[in-house]
Amino acid sequence: GEDVEQSLFLSVREGDSSVINCTYTDSSSTYLYWYKQEPGAGLQLLTYIFSNMDMKQDQRLTVLLNKKDKHLSLRIADTQTGDSAIYFCAEMPNGQNFVFGPGTRLSVLP
Amino acid sequence: DTAVSQTPKYLVTQMGNDKSIKCEQNLGHDTMYWYKQDSKKFLKIMFSYNNKELIINETVPNRFSPKSPDKAHLNLHINSLELGDSAVYFCASSQGNQPQHFGDGTRLSIL
Repeated sequence: GEDVEQSLFLSVREGDSSVINCTYTDSSSTYLYWYKQEPGAGLQLLTYIFSNMDMKQDQRLTVLLNKKDKHLSLRIADTQTGDSAIYFCAEMPNGQNFVFGPGTRLSVLP
Repeated sequence: DTAVSQTPKYLVTQMGNDKSIKCEQNLGHDTMYWYKQDSKKFLKIMFSYNNKELIINETVPNRFSPKSPDKAHLNLHINSLELGDSAVYFCASSQGNQPQHFGDGTRLSIL
C-alpha cells in the first residue's frame, strides 16, 4: 500500500541545520516532493527530486534520496525563524494521486 | 496572476446548510484536486478530476460533490453540512507528474 511517514515535530536553534526525514513505501514515483506550509497559508512547493538522483542542492536546501531504503531527507542549512513551518513529504505512486506524509512541524528557537 | 485561486477564504455556516467552494486555475493544467486538512494538519485527498474522469476517495461522504464546468474550474459542493466537516479545504492542480500547485485554502467552520 501507499504510506508516507515523517516525524511530527522538530526543534532547532537559529543558525543550526535542520534535517527532516521521510520514509515512503511505493518505489514507482518518478519524483519525490517537499512542500512547506506556513501558518494560515497553503502548501508551497519547496523542491523535488527525480527518483534516479541521490542528491539535489538548491541554495540552503539539500535533498538526499536513498532509493534502496526508501528514505528522503530535507536539510535546511543556517535555519532561520522564517523557516518555521510544517514540511510535507509527498510521492506520486504510478503517476496517480499525490500521497502526503503527516507533516513535520519545524520550530526554530532564537 | 494567481495560479490557483479559491473562494471564499473563510466560510462560517450552520449545520445542515448547503455550501459551495469555488476553485479556478490559470496554469493550463489538466488535473485538479480537492484536499481536506484537519485540525491536526493531516492532508487527505478527496477528489481528483482529469479530462472528465473523476476519481473519488472512497472515504468521502456522498454529501460532497465536485463539479467541473470546464478544465480550469473544479468547484466543491457540500450538502447538509455537519460539525465534522469543519476543516481547511485546499484545491490544487497539476500537469502529468509535475508538482501540484495549491490554492491558499478555504477555512470552513460549522456552527
